[in-house]
Formats: sequence, C-alpha cells, structure tokens
Amino acid sequence: DAKTTQPPSMDCAEGRAANLPCNHSTISGNEYVYWYRQIHSQGPQYIIHGLKNNETNEMASLIITEDRKSSTLILPHATLRDTAVYYCIVRDRGDTDKLIFGTGTRLQVFP
Amino acid sequence: GAGVSQSPRYKVAKRGQDVALRCDPISGHVSLFWYQQALGQGPEFLTYFQNEAQLDKSGLPSDRFFAERPEGSVSTLKIQRTQQEDSAVYLCASSRTGWGDNSPLHFGNGTRLTVT
Repeated sequence: DAKTTQPPSMDCAEGRAANLPCNHSTISGNEYVYWYRQIHSQGPQYIIHGLKNNETNEMASLIITEDRKSSTLILPHATLRDTAVYYCIVRDRGDTDKLIFGTGTRLQVFP
Repeated sequence: GAGVSQSPRYKVAKRGQDVALRCDPISGHVSLFWYQQALGQGPEFLTYFQNEAQLDKSGLPSDRFFAERPEGSVSTLKIQRTQQEDSAVYLCASSRTGWGDNSPLHFGNGTRLTVT
C-alpha cells in the first residue's frame, strides 16, 4: 500500500506558486520521498526526490519537515502545462526499491 | 538522449488472444520495471528486473502474465488468453543502477491495451 496521503485535487492560478502537500507519517529513516507527475496520455515524469534536506532543481523545490512526516512540492510559477496528476511516493526499501503509487493530487492550473 | 520506448502504443485484442508488449529501456540502465495503470488510478507495480534477472514478480495478477528480459536490455510483457479486466495502460520504467541506489525511475508513455 502507498505510504502517503495527498489531497485529491487542487487549483492554482497561472503564474502563482503551486504548493502541493503530502503526508508520510510512517516514513522510515532511510526512505526517500519522490515526486512524479503524469500528464494525460503520458507516462509519469520524474520531478524531484529528497531524504531530509530541502531540494531544488529546474522544475521544482521540495520542502521536507524536520520530523520527515510531511513534505511540500513547490512549483514556483505555475503554467497551464503544469496541469497534471502529482504523485508523492515514499520509495519502498524492500527487495526491489520499487515505487508504490497512490492516487495523487490532480492539479488544475487556470488562466 | 533517448528515453524509454514502448511499442505498440495502442493494442486492441479480442478476448482470449495472446499479446506481447515491448519495452526498450534507456541504454545501459540496469533496472527495469513494469506497471499496470487502470483508468483513473495510479500505476500498480507488476514486476522488476535487474539486468536479466527477474527479482520480483509479486505484482503479476495471474499466471497468464509473463515477463522476460533475456539479454538484460529489451523486455517483453506477455499476456496469454487476454480478459477484459486486462484492459489498461502498461508502463515500463528503467533506472540507471540496481537496488539501494536512489537513481530515479524513468517511464515510457505506455501501451494502451483494450480487450474486446
């Protein structure tokens, strides 16, 4: 089962920051948080991942709370092309290192 | 560089037919994953390869599903005697290294299978 909880949907105005929350209260000390997004009819696209420090790349920023029980993905200037389903995933540290997806947050960016 | 490539992009099969779905991972990637995504749901894990070894097939829904990666690169997911409940998008992903490394998975755009 997925180890994360996300709101089913969010709206954001174009040009504004989109802040997508995720709860992962049962995360273990060596488990990373990954974020992917999926635009209609495409495969999931990797965005960013982190362990305990905040991370930033050309797509987004990831803020992880000090207790690691929650995180926020920030898209600093949302565009219409950022409309997608966003998945927050705690990577499984079992035999496979597979990603276990939940149902994600459907982000709608409006003009 | 080239990403993960899957073919065919769309496949329509009559119930009872066998199908084969192909995945070309990113060149040199060690790990390969197959996922199944039903309409409106998140992807669900099917199976995992490290090179040519199938290390996890816990997600395969029945013995009608079979995956192989004989030379550690291209992989094929085969579904025998397809049923309507097999209708879904089948996604393939690869990552650069094996277990324990946090290299991200890179996904293809999937094969949409429709069983009529």
